[in-house]
Amino acid sequence: KAGVTQTPRYLIKTRGQQVTLSCSPISGHRSVSWYQQTPGQGLQFLFEYFSETQRNKGNFPGRFSGRQFSNSRSEMNVSTLELGDSALYLCASSPAGQAQETQYFGPGTRLLVL
Amino acid sequence: AQSVTQPDIHITVSEGASLELRCNYSYGATPYLFWYVQSPGQGLQLLLKYFSGDTLVQGIKGFEAEFKRSQSSFNLRKPSVHWSDAAEYFCAVGSSSNTGKLIFGQGTTLQVKP
Repeated sequence: KAGVTQTPRYLIKTRGQQVTLSCSPISGHRSVSWYQQTPGQGLQFLFEYFSETQRNKGNFPGRFSGRQFSNSRSEMNVSTLELGDSALYLCASSPAGQAQETQYFGPGTRLLVL
Repeated sequence: AQSVTQPDIHITVSEGASLELRCNYSYGATPYLFWYVQSPGQGLQLLLKYFSGDTLVQGIKGFEAEFKRSQSSFNLRKPSVHWSDAAEYFCAVGSSSNTGKLIFGQGTTLQVKP
């Protein structure tokens, strides 16, 4: 099976812009989780989608949003970008998002905000 | 609240030496515990996981980890380190009440000396 894919791999944006990142899960996986990774804060959970519904959410401002399509592909959007949004954004997929399931991670999208 | 602590930010070992990376968690019920490895510019790869049964779990690449409930620990070990093991290692905990969400420790960077 193909692994989790994320596009684009690299992005450069300026403050105030918005950005959309895409994640294609492993075939058959219905749960997609998103994480932000920064040197200062480490890996932090953004949200999880299952069957096109946001089922869980971390402590991020409303500028961070996402959605999931019927084929389980997911997008996350960040509006009004701030310098502090520069990070590696990782998505992970699992069959159903249950705690005992392995989350399989994509390579990430590295976002730089200038 | 759940939390994960990796006390060692950076560890250096000689090639061929044994390795132990420490992980302590805080969680009221039985935790679902994971160790992931991240090479530079890559996503996270699962090394091993524990959620029930034998407290000594075997993973890929010759790694093992032992769950000790009394010490709230899930330390990762390898008897003989190879230069290719140089990477960042993350301990994570999941919960049945928090679908799709992993809480990660801050990570331990492993450097291997020739």
